[in-house]
Amino acid sequence: GENVEQHPSTLSVQEGDSAVIKCTYSDSASNYFPWYKQELGKGPQLIIDIRSNVGEKKDQRIAVTLNKTAKHFSLHITETQPEDSAVYFCAASRANAGNMLTFGGGTRLMVKP
Amino acid sequence: DTAVSQTPKYLVTQMGNDKSIKCEQNLGHDTMYWYKQDSKKFLKIMFSYNNKELIINETVPNRFSPKSPDKAHLNLHINSLELGDSAVYFCASSQVLGGGGYTFGSGTRLTVV
Repeated sequence: GENVEQHPSTLSVQEGDSAVIKCTYSDSASNYFPWYKQELGKGPQLIIDIRSNVGEKKDQRIAVTLNKTAKHFSLHITETQPEDSAVYFCAASRANAGNMLTFGGGTRLMVKP
Repeated sequence: DTAVSQTPKYLVTQMGNDKSIKCEQNLGHDTMYWYKQDSKKFLKIMFSYNNKELIINETVPNRFSPKSPDKAHLNLHINSLELGDSAVYFCASSQVLGGGGYTFGSGTRLTVV
């Protein structure tokens, strides 16, 4: 089955700096890679996703890059703000029946004002 | 309108009791899931239902029994609760099995004493 590893487990940055979270996956057939943000006491929320036919995707201060050859993908947050503080999860799946999202272990991001 | 709603939000119960957690989604999604999040924030799939049919049943003790009366509802019943069952349980739904973003509920924090 799929195995997703996520690093670092905790990340502390100063407000305004950039943050990068990296994930690797094991199943070369995986083709869908979402990122979720979980705030305290809430469920994870989808913030951005990328499919394997695309190498990079941006949405305002958030970007995701995918390297299919190396089987890794990363989340980039620029100009971090205190409200970006949360736990971030990467995940991977094959987009067909019978395959679930496998989540990474999570990264706790702390943005210091 | 809450897209994926779980009840109750908190559940404190004694070992050996039987309890249920309810989940409803109003997104018209075909697939629903139960995830368990442990104290280290790791998200692990438990069950998945697609159009009321069980698709995925990970290595979960048979004390856990999901029930889907229709595709908008997926309830989780737990018999003979144990201390190790203490965790946050998340319900989620998606339009396509494993192929799109999940929408998560806000979680049920189960504490077994």
